Amino acid sequence: DTGVSQDPRHKITKRGQNVTFRCDPISEHNRLYWYRQTLGQGPEFLTYFQNEAQLEKSRLLSDRFSAERPKGSFSTLEIQRTEQGDSAMYLCASSSSIHEQYFGPGTRLTVT
Amino acid sequence: GEDVEQSLFLSVREGDSSVINCTYTDSSSTYLYWYKQEPGAGLQLLTYIFSNMDMKQDQRLTVLLNKKDKHLSLRIADTQTGDSAIYFCAESNQFYFGTGTSLTVIP
Repeated sequence: DTGVSQDPRHKITKRGQNVTFRCDPISEHNRLYWYRQTLGQGPEFLTYFQNEAQLEKSRLLSDRFSAERPKGSFSTLEIQRTEQGDSAMYLCASSSSIHEQYFGPGTRLTVT
Repeated sequence: GEDVEQSLFLSVREGDSSVINCTYTDSSSTYLYWYKQEPGAGLQLLTYIFSNMDMKQDQRLTVLLNKKDKHLSLRIADTQTGDSAIYFCAESNQFYFGTGTSLTVIP
């Protein structure tokens, strides 16, 4: 088992561009979570999937953010019309139970 | 996480015990967690406690939960330089994390 992987690890984009991140959870984990972490802060919950169903979305997830998990395995997080305030580390985690979340290394987004 | 608060910094000498504190507001949280984040690395789940427990011990780690005061603490015995990291507490219901406590261990 290789753990949770995220791609890319770093992304630099210009304001107004769209970006998409990918998360591959640990195989057989049916739960998948997205968080955002800015410097000096703890992770902020964005959204949560159980299998392919998106069960919860934070109010932080504006209309410009969308997440999918079409086959209940990998997930994508898309940010449209990026803003400088979107610059952060985007973390993905997966679990087979509610309390053992395994985190990936994150995708660091810089919006210039 | 506006509903989970931690002090920002803690410095201890190698070999001493460290105590990291956390307060939370959601009394319905089923589980409370402690995570460790080393520089440039992802979060690692250290331990968790079920809300109907007062204490949980796991090797050098002791978690104490005071449900009445909504206070959670993590004690690290015999702190080592490898324990230097940021420690986050988190609760299960709303997936809220604290702001993290940066632990520095002085050799």
